[in-house]
Amino acid sequence: AQSVTQPDIHITVSEGASLELRCNYSYGATPYLFWYVQSPGQGLQLLLKYFSGDTLVQGIKGFEAEFKRSQSSFNLRKPSVHWSDAAEYFCAVGANAGNMLTFGGGTRLMVKP
Amino acid sequence: DAGVIQSPRHEVTEMGQEVTLRCKPISGHDYLFWYRQTMMRGLELLIYFNNNVPIDDSGMPEDRFSAKMPNASFSTLKIQPSEPRDSAVYFCASSLVGSYNEQFFGPGTRLTVL
Repeated sequence: AQSVTQPDIHITVSEGASLELRCNYSYGATPYLFWYVQSPGQGLQLLLKYFSGDTLVQGIKGFEAEFKRSQSSFNLRKPSVHWSDAAEYFCAVGANAGNMLTFGGGTRLMVKP
Repeated sequence: DAGVIQSPRHEVTEMGQEVTLRCKPISGHDYLFWYRQTMMRGLELLIYFNNNVPIDDSGMPEDRFSAKMPNASFSTLKIQPSEPRDSAVYFCASSLVGSYNEQFFGPGTRLTVL
């Protein structure tokens, strides 16, 4: 069975600083990988996804993520964080069966002015 | 498209009452998922449907929880009787076969059981 680990429960960065959120997965086959963002009181919004091909994927709001098969990782990055990026971020891996996703525990990002 | 629609957005009820949460998936999607989110347990998959048929309900916590999908555009999650520990945000998501498992989430229903 697949699993997803987000090692950092909380991260605080200063506005304008760079950001990297970590995600490690366990899955036997080629994974489908996702990052979702959840703003307070909102549902989950897709930031970006990886299915195949170029291992560096670009998403919305200036985010990118890199798939590293050797490290079983799919870390999310942003070169310069804005105060509006404060939210909870979820990494997820998809199994072929049933269109299901397995989510990590989430990382809550706080942005200091 | 309007996206996944959930109602109500907020529900406050008293212990023992029946609660019904509603979801309208994105038109044409053939998978529908119900999740529960709490601080303690994070995001949990409760049940999912494919073409209106329940496929896996192993995440449904107790017999007090039931879910139905009478047609492709409507699903309900019912809790009867409700208990304070059911307080959570309940999300519905839908997905299209062949879309590499990408799911689209609704805004959620925040349930408070007093």
